[in-house]
Amino acid sequence: QSALTQPPSASGSPGQSVTISCTGTSSDVGGYNYVSWYQQHPGKAPKLMIYEVSKRPSGVPDRLSGSKSGNTASLTVSGLQAEDEADYYCSSYAGSNNYVFGTGTKVTVL
Amino acid sequence: QLQLQESGPGLVKPSETLSLTCTVSGGSISSSSYFWGWIRQPPEKGLEWIGSIYHSGTTYYKPSLKSRVTISVDTSKSQFSLKLGSVTAADTAVYYCAHLTAVTIDYWGQGTLVTVSS
Repeated sequence: QSALTQPPSASGSPGQSVTISCTGTSSDVGGYNYVSWYQQHPGKAPKLMIYEVSKRPSGVPDRLSGSKSGNTASLTVSGLQAEDEADYYCSSYAGSNNYVFGTGTKVTVL
Repeated sequence: QLQLQESGPGLVKPSETLSLTCTVSGGSISSSSYFWGWIRQPPEKGLEWIGSIYHSGTTYYKPSLKSRVTISVDTSKSQFSLKLGSVTAADTAVYYCAHLTAVTIDYWGQGTLVTVSS
């Protein structure tokens, strides 16, 4: 049960878009449509932003969108704002009521 | 609004057992279809899944931690707990308790830092 692979960093100017990838295996990302994305600001708990690959909880702006192809899921943040600067983690259901997290991506708004 | 709050010692000696409790408010710990879980995050590192428990007491653990982890639930107190045995410095982390649906982790506690040191 290895961690899902994410790029360490991503950046964009205000108003631009940034896309973060999350690569796993057929035993996790590729095997289930249960990929979630979390936003974590320094010193804070993670916050659910996307679940079931592309669904947004109430209150999450539609500037955030998720998708999946094969063993790789992606999160796109459009119209970047200063408040989007944070760490982002993906997670996937991995069977037998276990979950696996991604390595995390630091998003910087230039 | 569901709220979760971790509590327990912030310092544990090597080889001893780490014990944390999560108190749930704003919702029922006995709700069907939901699980309660523990996740940790070492300083400056990523998130690691530890395990979960159903209100009936059925547990699920990360395979690599299974030999050292016990998660239990006390529905009368709206609490669930984590015990991690034989700790080392590698177990130093912020520990989060969380609420899980069948497909995601949707509510998190604020987290509590546990340091393993003599």
